[in-house]
Amino acid sequence: DTAVSQTPKYLVTQMGNDKSIKCEQNLGHDTMYWYKQDSKKFLKIMFSYNNKELIINETVPNRFSPKSPDKAHLNLHINSLELGDSAVYFCASSQLPQRVAYEQYFGPGTRLTVT
Amino acid sequence: GENVEQHPSTLSVQEGDSAVIKCTYSDSASNYFPWYKQELGKRPQLIIDIRSNVGEKKDQRIAVTLNKTAKHFSLHITETQPEDSAVYFCATRVERGTASKLTFGTGTRLQVTL
Repeated sequence: DTAVSQTPKYLVTQMGNDKSIKCEQNLGHDTMYWYKQDSKKFLKIMFSYNNKELIINETVPNRFSPKSPDKAHLNLHINSLELGDSAVYFCASSQLPQRVAYEQYFGPGTRLTVT
Repeated sequence: GENVEQHPSTLSVQEGDSAVIKCTYSDSASNYFPWYKQELGKRPQLIIDIRSNVGEKKDQRIAVTLNKTAKHFSLHITETQPEDSAVYFCATRVERGTASKLTFGTGTRLQVTL
């Protein structure tokens, strides 16, 4: 009964390649997120989707394109991978409505290594 | 945008001692302050949170205090145990229209030694 799942768990690829990471949540949440955690452990939001609609796009390069086919799924496609893209990518989800304290549930992470 | 500073970056305490981690933030519109614990190789998990209209909250050995005037909040862990060893992140939430965003601090690596 994994609440937020991601695939793959590890991804090793060469510079210039295109790759995708998939995320699914079975919590019935309305909002999903992608975070990037670099080697120094900084955790930074990249995107937020609310009911399949893009809400937050945090100055992420155009090479990163999120897609939400339905509110339970949020995928991340990365074009022309660069060395600096190496990081752990976390998907998360949370409930709305607004103005209520809510918890974000994180997926297990995808460790991307670009060589 | 919101800026969250967290100190210290590393903290080593002996088992049974207390640990305190402090965060400051810049956006006065922040209204929710969660703390996450991330064990090595694992996902961040919420351990405690506090809303802006509350000054203090306690859950067993962990407590969080919030000073909205000074824009800082702290995590207190008492009677630390080896399983408390992890990276701890503070965060703040700001709402702008329909967007609600968590901004995380830079993390504190807590090591509890025997």
